[in-house]
Amino acid sequence: GDSVTQMEGPVTLSEEAFLTINCTYTATGYPSLFWYVQYPGEGLQLLLKATKADDKGSNKGFEATYRKETTSFHLEKGSVQVSDSAVYFCALYAGGTSYGKLTFGQGTILTVHP
Amino acid sequence: DAGVTQSPTHLIKTRGQQVTLRCSPKSGHDTVSWYQQALGQGPQFIFQYYEEEERQRGNFPDRFSGHQFPNYSSELNVNALLLGDSALYLCASSLGGGGNQPQHFGDGTRLSIL
Repeated sequence: GDSVTQMEGPVTLSEEAFLTINCTYTATGYPSLFWYVQYPGEGLQLLLKATKADDKGSNKGFEATYRKETTSFHLEKGSVQVSDSAVYFCALYAGGTSYGKLTFGQGTILTVHP
Repeated sequence: DAGVTQSPTHLIKTRGQQVTLRCSPKSGHDTVSWYQQALGQGPQFIFQYYEEEERQRGNFPDRFSGHQFPNYSSELNVNALLLGDSALYLCASSLGGGGNQPQHFGDGTRLSIL
């Protein structure tokens, strides 16, 4: 079945450091890929998405490129801020027999210190 | 423009009881999906409702059931509660069924089973 694997956390960085959170996936066909962010006490917010191979999603300084050859969708940001502290989830949508179902990774906790 | 609203915010039940959680989708959305998020885990898809019908179901027992009303709001019902049902229950709304459209999440209902 479909699955998403994220790098183990938590990740702790200093402000202005470079961020990478790894995400790999297993799915049939050509899924759409997403990054969601969850701030404390809140629901998930869509951060960015990519729908086909080599697409780059970007938002708020975050980027991720859909790499079909390595089945990956790693999240990057060049300079993190304290306000980026949150839990980040990689997710996929495969459609077909998985119509309507988003499959999420286990989440990566990011803490940014001043 | 109101986003996705869920009620109640918190709920405490005992084993064997039944619970009903409610969700109002974002204005203009007609599709509601429900997810269970255990502590420290990613959300797990329960089911999706579109046009008042359950269109897709995840790997959850029949104790979990739902309903969508003509105004697109939705309820999640869980019978014969188990300790393992303790989790954050998230509702997500979107437009037109499926999962490729942006999903807007509510802040969730925290269910605790004693």
